Amino acid sequence: DAEITQSPRHKITETGRQVTLACHQTWNHNNMFWYRQDLGHGLRLIHYSYGVQDTNKGEVSDGYSVSRSNTEDLPLTLESAASSQTSVYFCASQSGGSSYEQYFGPGTRLTVT
Amino acid sequence: DAKTTQPTSMDCAEGRAANLPCNHSTISGNEYVYWYRQIHSQGPQYIIHGLKNNETNEMASLIITEDRKSSTLILPHATLRDTAVYYCIAKTSYDKVIFGPGTSLSVIP
Repeated sequence: DAEITQSPRHKITETGRQVTLACHQTWNHNNMFWYRQDLGHGLRLIHYSYGVQDTNKGEVSDGYSVSRSNTEDLPLTLESAASSQTSVYFCASQSGGSSYEQYFGPGTRLTVT
Repeated sequence: DAKTTQPTSMDCAEGRAANLPCNHSTISGNEYVYWYRQIHSQGPQYIIHGLKNNETNEMASLIITEDRKSSTLILPHATLRDTAVYYCIAKTSYDKVIFGPGTSLSVIP
């Protein structure tokens, strides 16, 4: 069955380190999204992509970057991790065109110490 | 995307219907009403969507008022596993999902 996976599921890192969170989907969806979720803030959109070589900033993009070199993957990079980036990160994908549903991954819990 | 407003929290007795309201008075003609839910610690899950007709699937029913300014998600026989945060979103079919705070539904035994 097609699916969307995230790795790692849990990560502890130190302030100032570069961290990359992986997101991989096997639906061949054009659209992919990264969200973060903190207590009291709900889900907030970080970056999104509508296809290979396309990336766009979301609501809270500062300190994050993404690249889309193929259809299946949208890795999220924290250039210099900060304690404020401690959060749960969710990746999602959606078929382009008139598709309605976003499919979400299981999430990555990131702790920056 | 049209702004939606939902109650912060609701309770429902197990086995009864859960009716979750959503106001979207500024929705435009090409925007759909979508519902997602998020069970604790899991990724959000799509439930249902509609444009102007009522919709039903294996999970829920969606009732949209004739003027499209509000809608209600109905879980016909709520179970404990339906305890979750429910998000109502108004957007076009091709646009990204922006989540609001949602409604925290507690199903009570």
